[in-house]
Amino acid sequence: EVVMTQSPATLSLSPGERATLSCRASESVTISQLSWYQQRPGQAPRLLIYGAFSRATGIPVRFSGSASGTDFTLSISSLQPEDSAVYYCQQDHRYSWTFGQGTKVEIK
Amino acid sequence: QLHLQESGPGLVKPSETLSLTCTVSGGSIINITNFWAWVRQPPGEGLEWIGSVYYSGTTYYSSSLKSRVTISVDMSKNQFSLNLRSVTAADTALYYCAVYCSAGDCNPPNVFDTWGQGTMVTVSS
Repeated sequence: EVVMTQSPATLSLSPGERATLSCRASESVTISQLSWYQQRPGQAPRLLIYGAFSRATGIPVRFSGSASGTDFTLSISSLQPEDSAVYYCQQDHRYSWTFGQGTKVEIK
Repeated sequence: QLHLQESGPGLVKPSETLSLTCTVSGGSIINITNFWAWVRQPPGEGLEWIGSVYYSGTTYYSSSLKSRVTISVDMSKNQFSLNLRSVTAADTALYYCAVYCSAGDCNPPNVFDTWGQGTMVTVSS
């Protein structure tokens, strides 16, 4: 089973700052099967990024994804108050789905 | 537009079986591109994939829960279900059903693109 390790656990930044969230896979992951989700308190997860790089419908352009080997990154270019949430990476490898443990983004 | 709705008891006694059902509306559960999944989230913790089922009944389970989990599909009712046996307090969580569209003609592909609202299950005597 592929283990997804996210860092940091918590990120506390001011509005307008750039957030960089990391996710490392324990083994090679198919890029087309790597996604990022946002979960606000009391809500179900919402798809942000799919295929490591592509924004889902309706997701602001300040959200972007990148990849290098087994390392994946979610960037938020200019934090807005509504970006306060927990962010999860997720992969599917040979019909085994796993999530990272999440990164909490706090807006100061 | 698919809609998923979880249902089942909110309280289960230790050592008993947790049983939940997810009702699918807005589309058929008989869909060659979709995997129907259960994901849970203990209070204050992250998301954990429990398992997935294909409409044919083929199942895939998390290695950590495999010995206690059964997921099944009822095509006649457009539902899929979760049974988790021998529960303990560690199984207390918000349980979500979700659909994973896994094919090139999905838009977008390879994502959990629809989730239920979640149902809280507490394990306590």
